[in-house]
Amino acid sequence: DTGVSQDPRHKITKRGQNVTFRCDPISEHNRLYWYRQTLGQGPEFLTYFQNEAQLEKSRLLSDRFSAERPKGSFSTLEIQRTEQGDSAMYLCASSSPKGRTQETQYFGPGTRLLVL
Amino acid sequence: GDSVTQMEGPVTLSEEAFLTINCTYTATGYPSLFWYVQYPGEGLQLLLKATKADDKGSNKGFEATYRKETTSFHLEKGSVQVSDSAVYFCALSVMIKAAGNKLTFGGGTRVLVKP
Repeated sequence: DTGVSQDPRHKITKRGQNVTFRCDPISEHNRLYWYRQTLGQGPEFLTYFQNEAQLEKSRLLSDRFSAERPKGSFSTLEIQRTEQGDSAMYLCASSSPKGRTQETQYFGPGTRLLVL
Repeated sequence: GDSVTQMEGPVTLSEEAFLTINCTYTATGYPSLFWYVQYPGEGLQLLLKATKADDKGSNKGFEATYRKETTSFHLEKGSVQVSDSAVYFCALSVMIKAAGNKLTFGGGTRVLVKP
C-alpha cells in the first residue's frame, strides 16, 4: 500500500492557460474523490467517481473543470482557461468501503496551483 | 445544507497542557463524524472517527465522542506534545449517489504547542 499519490505537487501557470492534474489512488480502491482547499479553509468537495463512472459533481465544478477516470484507475482533473480564483490546493482521496459507515477516505498530498 | 463549525485558531498551548477543539455540525440524517489532521507540509490524515451516536473515536491519545443531542464532536487530548502542532479539521460524511460519501469539512483549527 503506497498511498494516494498526486502529480505534480506544485504548478504555477498564467491566467488563461490549461492545467491537468493526476491522481493515483490506492490500488483496488474503487472510489475516488476530488476536493479543493483554499488558504485557511477546509477542503470542499468537487466530484466523485465509482470505478470509471463520475457520479456526483459539485456546483463548484464550473464548465471549465473536467475530471476523468478512464478504466477506473488513475484520475485526471483538468482546468481550462485558468483564472486567479482557481489558485488552491487540489486534493484527491480514495476509498474502498465495506459498508456505508465503514468508509475511510485516504488523502493524497495535494497539488498546489498558483495562477498568476 | 450540511455544515461543520469548529473553533477558530490559532490555539497556542504549552507542552503537557490539555487540548480541546470544539466542533458542532448540522446535517440531515445520521452522518459519520471525523477528525483529520494536517501536519506542516503534509496531506490530510485521518485521526479518528465515529459512525453513530455515543460512539467514541480515539487514536494517539486523542478522543472525541459523537453527541447527537448537542450535535457535537469535540476533540480532546489530555497532554499535548510539540509534535501535535498541526491543523485539525472536523468533518462529517453524508451519502451521495451510488453509496458514495461526501465529506464536509470545518474551517480547520491551527494548534501550536510550545516546549
